Amino acid sequence: KAGVTQTPRYLIKTRGQQVTLSCSPISGHRSVSWYQQTPGQGLQFLFEYFSETQRNKGNFPGRFSGRQFSNSRSEMNVSTLELGDSALYLCASRRTGNNDYEQYFGPGTRLTVT
Amino acid sequence: AQSVTQLDSHVSVSEGTPVLLRCNYSSSYSPSLFWYVQHPNKGLQLLLKYTSAATLVKGINGFEAEFKKSETSFHLTKPSAHMSDAAEYFCVGGTGANNLFFGTGTRLTVIP
Repeated sequence: KAGVTQTPRYLIKTRGQQVTLSCSPISGHRSVSWYQQTPGQGLQFLFEYFSETQRNKGNFPGRFSGRQFSNSRSEMNVSTLELGDSALYLCASRRTGNNDYEQYFGPGTRLTVT
Repeated sequence: AQSVTQLDSHVSVSEGTPVLLRCNYSSSYSPSLFWYVQHPNKGLQLLLKYTSAATLVKGINGFEAEFKKSETSFHLTKPSAHMSDAAEYFCVGGTGANNLFFGTGTRLTVIP
């Protein structure tokens, strides 16, 4: 069974631009979560989507948004990029949503903002 | 509030010696607990999980962890470290309304 895939793997953008990252979950998994990982802040939860609805949201500004499609694939968008948005963005999927916490992570997208 | 605390930000061991990575949890409910490993520039890989069955949980690559309710701990151990174990390890808890909480990570260095 294929794992979680994320595209692109690496991305370089300039301040003020916007970016869209994509995540394809494991087949049959309906929940997709996004995380930002930086050396200074560690792993921080962005949001979770389940059945095309955002169910949980972390403490990030509105520049960070996401959506989920009917096939459970998810996209994350960051608008008006700032230098501090440089990070590894990780996507994770899990089978159901209800009290099933076992997540499977993708390899991440490394975003560099210059 | 629910949380996990990884007691060491960095652990260094010699190859062939035991590994102990410490994690304490705080939860009003019986949590599900996980250990993940992250190698450089990679995603997180699930090592093992505790979901209120056996308190001693065996995972991949020779790792195991014991859930101790009296100590609110879920420490990760391995009898003999390999060079390939050098990585970042995360303790993760899940409880209640689909809430997951991550520890801050422990970087394991293995000295040849």
